[in-house]
Amino acid sequence: SAVISQKPSRDICQRGTSLTIQCQVDSQVTMMFWYRQQPGQSLTLIATANQGSEATYESGFVIDKFPISRPNLTFSTLTVSNMSPEDSSIYLCSVQVRDTQYFGPGTRLTVL
Amino acid sequence: QKEVEQNSGPLSVPEGAIASLNCTYSDRGSQSFFWYRQYSGKSPELIMSIYSNGDKEDGRFTAQLNKASQYVSLLIRDSQPSDSATYLCAVKFNAGGTSYGKLTFGQGTILTVHP
Repeated sequence: SAVISQKPSRDICQRGTSLTIQCQVDSQVTMMFWYRQQPGQSLTLIATANQGSEATYESGFVIDKFPISRPNLTFSTLTVSNMSPEDSSIYLCSVQVRDTQYFGPGTRLTVL
Repeated sequence: QKEVEQNSGPLSVPEGAIASLNCTYSDRGSQSFFWYRQYSGKSPELIMSIYSNGDKEDGRFTAQLNKASQYVSLLIRDSQPSDSATYLCAVKFNAGGTSYGKLTFGQGTILTVHP
């Protein structure tokens, strides 16, 4: 498995601002993923972040809104840009080890 | 569009009973199947993975896979109040024979085990 940490664990932000979420894993992994979980909903994949290449975004998510960095094999960031209340959600980082994905503790974002 | 459907909840069982959670998937090419448990306010944690038809047992948990019928289930024996959580079924289609494939989640089933 893998030990994954995320910062911040939660935040309350104002409309129109941006927040960068950090994800750190204790071992080198090729594949990292960013998910969103809206209140009472299941997980929705935002994008796949591979080191050394551009992130791959899922339908409905765009780079201008959710820019992602992946500078090395243990770290990634997700930025939520120009936030609106609809962005209030839990954002989860995930890594793949062999064939299994493991999740970080999540970042709970509230946008006022 | 690859879809994963779970039996509608919430599911409530008495302590000591067997809880049965079901999941169907639309993509016949799917090859990897996972059950995650998510406690309220926490992130999903892996319970079991299953890749071959049949049963796979791990303690009180048994995963069952039937690729012909495109369903996967999770049985929890001797259910405990601590099993109360949301259970997420996730399916992966392995593209190109590699281990990478997008993980598609079901909507989750809320399980409550009452004393």
